Amino acid sequence: QKEVEQNSGPLSVPEGAIASLNCTYSDRGSQSFFWYRQYSGKSPELIMFIYSNGDKEDGRFTAQLNKASQYVSLLIRDSQPSDSATYLCAVFNSGGGADGLTFGKGTHLIIQP
Amino acid sequence: NAGVTQTPKFQVLKTGQSMTLQCAQDMNHNSMYWYRQDPGMGLRLIYYSASEGTTDKGEVPNGYNVSRLNKREFSLRLESAAPSQTSVYFCASSEAGGGYGYTFGSGTRLTVV
Repeated sequence: QKEVEQNSGPLSVPEGAIASLNCTYSDRGSQSFFWYRQYSGKSPELIMFIYSNGDKEDGRFTAQLNKASQYVSLLIRDSQPSDSATYLCAVFNSGGGADGLTFGKGTHLIIQP
Repeated sequence: NAGVTQTPKFQVLKTGQSMTLQCAQDMNHNSMYWYRQDPGMGLRLIYYSASEGTTDKGEVPNGYNVSRLNKREFSLRLESAAPSQTSVYFCASSEAGGGYGYTFGSGTRLTVV
């Protein structure tokens, strides 16, 4: 059973601070890791992906991967009210069957002005 | 815009009625998926199609059927709608079984009364 765990929140962060979102996964063979942002009433939107251990930066977003600890995180610097959303972590294992990504249930992030 | 198109966006059904949710993608993706999303439950996979001509059950297939009409189109049918099928339904597609992430449609909000 492949599992992806996220704290459901809400995680409340003041505007301008760093928001840190965490995700753990059970399938040690997972190869690709994704962060989706979902605004209320909208569909999930891919914002970051990472394949290798370490950090990957894209603008205000940094994804961090530690395969040994089976841990993925997303940092959002200089948080803005527009970052308020639910963030879904997803993982992929090409040898894990054809059913695609395994999603966490998401963390609800609130950026307080 | 290129992407995944779902119709309809909203639907109200009476218990026992049937309907088909339509999904089409124009990105030449091989794999397509149907999810439902309920509060606190995250995204749950209903059915998927790894490639044209194949379909498989996901986590919650009961009460649903699917058709992969061609490479572009993947439809979801509710034969006899039940209140428990009230949900938001998302179609998604991917190029490599999920290894590069998914593109989601805008969703269908279905209410069964």
